Amino acid sequence: AQSVTQPDIHITVSEGASLELRCNYSYGATPYLFWYVQSPGQGLQLLLKYFSGDTLVQGIKGFEAEFKRSQSSFNLRKPSVHWSDAAEYFCAVAPWGSASKIIFGSGTRLSIRP
Amino acid sequence: DAGVTQSPTHLIKTRGQQVTLRCSPKSGHDTVSWYQQALGQGPQFIFQYYEEEERQRGNFPDRFSGHQFPNYSSELNVNALWLGDSALYLCASSPTSGSSYNEQFFGPGTRLTVL
Repeated sequence: AQSVTQPDIHITVSEGASLELRCNYSYGATPYLFWYVQSPGQGLQLLLKYFSGDTLVQGIKGFEAEFKRSQSSFNLRKPSVHWSDAAEYFCAVAPWGSASKIIFGSGTRLSIRP
Repeated sequence: DAGVTQSPTHLIKTRGQQVTLRCSPKSGHDTVSWYQQALGQGPQFIFQYYEEEERQRGNFPDRFSGHQFPNYSSELNVNALWLGDSALYLCASSPTSGSSYNEQFFGPGTRLTVL
């Protein structure tokens, strides 16, 4: 069965520090991969997506993610976090060729230490 | 461009009642998907509508039904509400062609509380 695992429920980093959020997926083939961010009381905003090609994907707000097929991982990174990055982050997968049914991980809550 | 809009923002119902949630997709989008997000969880796919028909469905009971109108807007109906239906219901829209193909744009959600 398709699934997404985000092993870190809550992460706290200092403002200006680097960030890496982990994501592992289980899927029979190479899926579409996404990272979304959700601020309190808000909907989901797409940070970046991977469909094919270069395995290092650049997104909005200075985020990037790297697809590693051998590890079934799609970790999200940012070199220097800002207080405004505090939010819930969701990794997600969809069948390759169609993002009609997106499967989400349970999320990682990011807190920023001043 | 208003993006995806949902109404109402918040809703309180009692067990056994029925509820209807509404969604207007982003301009130019013809596909609407619905997700349920329980507190502390990631969103779960309920179903997707395209050309006024349910195209795909997740693991949700028949109490959850939907509709898509000719203008692409959509409704989610939930019958016989129970406490476990309390959640944030998210609507997402996507186009079937163009550069945003295979990307879903999410609305702010409707917070449903069942007492």
